[in-house]
Amino acid sequence: DAGVIQSPRHEVTEMGQEVTLRCKPISGHDYLFWYRQTMMRGLELLIYFNNNVPIDDSGMPEDRFSAKMPNASFSTLKIQPSEPRDSAVYFCASSRDRAFAYTFGSGTRLTVV
Amino acid sequence: QKEVEQDPGPLSVPEGAIVSLNCTYSNSAFQYFMWYRQYSRKGPELLMYTYSSGNKEDGRFTAQVDKSSKYISLFIRDSQPSDSATYLCALCRAAGNKLTFGGGTRVLVKP
Repeated sequence: DAGVIQSPRHEVTEMGQEVTLRCKPISGHDYLFWYRQTMMRGLELLIYFNNNVPIDDSGMPEDRFSAKMPNASFSTLKIQPSEPRDSAVYFCASSRDRAFAYTFGSGTRLTVV
Repeated sequence: QKEVEQDPGPLSVPEGAIVSLNCTYSNSAFQYFMWYRQYSRKGPELLMYTYSSGNKEDGRFTAQVDKSSKYISLFIRDSQPSDSATYLCALCRAAGNKLTFGGGTRVLVKP
């Protein structure tokens, strides 16, 4: 099992550009979560899916953020337009139904300059 | 006020010492309690989880939950330099629901 795979590992972009983060969850996991981690705010849940359907997007900071899960093996988090305050590490995690053992990816370190 | 409070540290201890970590929470709706460990530049990984008040032991790790005081703890016995990491508590209101994380405590175990 390759675990949760995120790409890219690092992303540096200019303010105003579109950024797309990608995630491949573990096969058989039906929950997928997008978290953002910063020194100031810690780990914050942005959105989560169950069986490819968005369940709770109340953590998405603003309309500039959007997430999709077109199938069970792929999800994207898009920021358009990006701003310097979006700089953070973005984690994707997956789990089986009613399980607390979230498996996290290694994260995407986003820097917006 | 945050739902889950955790001292950010850093907590520095000599090798072999007991590491004591804790979190407090404000909402009695939290029913499931977890500890995650995060190494630098890695994602968090689950260490332990528990549901009821009391102690749960796994090797050198002991998790304690006191629901009446809304207080959870993690103890690491015979700490090793490889235990140096950030430890995050995570709470859940119901099975299958989303986790709310504490801010994490950074631990340094010095040889």
